[in-house]
Amino acid sequence: EPEVTQTPSHQVTQMGQEVILRCVPISNHLYFYWYRQILGQKVEFLVSFYNNEISEKSEIFDDQFSVERPDGSNFTLKIRSTKLEDSAMYFCASHRGVMDNEQFFGPGTRLTVL
Amino acid sequence: QKEVEQDPGPLSVPEGAIVSLNCTYSNSAFQYFMWYRQYSRKGPELLMYTYSSGNKEDGRFTAQVDKSSKYISLFIRDSQPSDSATYLCAMGGNNRLAFGKGNQVVVIP
Repeated sequence: EPEVTQTPSHQVTQMGQEVILRCVPISNHLYFYWYRQILGQKVEFLVSFYNNEISEKSEIFDDQFSVERPDGSNFTLKIRSTKLEDSAMYFCASHRGVMDNEQFFGPGTRLTVL
Repeated sequence: QKEVEQDPGPLSVPEGAIVSLNCTYSNSAFQYFMWYRQYSRKGPELLMYTYSSGNKEDGRFTAQVDKSSKYISLFIRDSQPSDSATYLCAMGGNNRLAFGKGNQVVVIP
């Protein structure tokens, strides 16, 4: 069964460093998302992406964040200058189309900022 | 008022019992409703998806949506120890999903 994959599973970085989190959505899906979940809190929407551009972003997704689909399979989230409060699980999700909007999530990347 | 409210209290039930979970929401723009299961430090796994008021069954799981009351429920019949997990409600309407805080369910053998 096709699934969303994410790498790395765990990333440790120093405050102020740049990180890139990688996702491979399900191959015939067209809509892509990033969410985050701070330990013990709810899953929060960051950004949605369709047709090579951002469709919607939350107030969390400030200028330090960017997303990219550099090729036909990968979808990345970059955090330019990490802060302690960026420590969280980051989930990528995808769905097929506007009438087929069941979002499937990847296993997540645990980001630890020291 | 929070967009999605899910009482996060843990729930312990004996094996075989019915588990009942619910969420309320305030945003009338939500058009579709999901329940996810999440194990510790893992990604949410889609369990149920509905977009209309009424009931939807899938094996031991029943999802119920009442749009007029802005209330959704998940029922798990004949609960098993393997059902022990955190259950998240999620709602969508315009690209993004809004999640509840989740209920930790423990099914005791």
